[in-house]
Amino acid sequence: EVQLVESGRTLAQPGGSLRLSCAASGLTFSNSWMHWVRQAPGRGLVWVSRFNSDGSVTNYADSVKGRFTISRDNAKNTLYLQMNSLRAEDTAVYYCVREGAGRGMDYWGQGTLVTVSS
Amino acid sequence: DIQMTQSPSSLSASVGDRVTITCRASQSISSYLNWYQEKPGKAPNLLIYTASSLQSGVPSRFSGSGSGTDFTLTISSLQAEDFATYYCQQSYTTPRTFGQGTKVEIK
Repeated sequence: EVQLVESGRTLAQPGGSLRLSCAASGLTFSNSWMHWVRQAPGRGLVWVSRFNSDGSVTNYADSVKGRFTISRDNAKNTLYLQMNSLRAEDTAVYYCVREGAGRGMDYWGQGTLVTVSS
Repeated sequence: DIQMTQSPSSLSASVGDRVTITCRASQSISSYLNWYQEKPGKAPNLLIYTASSLQSGVPSRFSGSGSGTDFTLTISSLQAEDFATYYCQQSYTTPRTFGQGTKVEIK
């Protein structure tokens, strides 16, 4: 059974930092494109960042570029999202997601609510 | 960035109805279009990938069609468990972009 389990401290003040982790099991993590997708309360899905399977390419949404950093540890089957200079508008449920090759985002974590508030 | 526009934003339907949701891309995305179902408090679930391929485990009442810029998700006979929000998403290029969602409600 495939599992993606997000974890990490989830409350920060504006201007602060958080790091999310996503532990993967039941899939070949090293061959997988991995994404972070977020959803603000009552809003739609928004793509945040991507890491390709061999670790050579990362991409970011303009709204987080320069503030967020995606990384992965294939030895630990873990994906990370370092979030710096947090803003109130970064408040959202963050999902760790696997994209199957040409098959859409086929596995999602349970999501973790990040709250940025003073 | 490629913009994805869904219509309608919401609809009311009854059990047994045929439901169609459309998604339009701002430029051609070939068949790189996926559909997801989201229920409150749950992670989204992949229904259809590459426009028309049914994800394993998804009931056959769900189907997808289209290519280029215009796509459709059809539920042939709406069931009680299908009341949810549906999103389209393009995987043609980065940034990946989603439609704004279509909420299917009980009439």
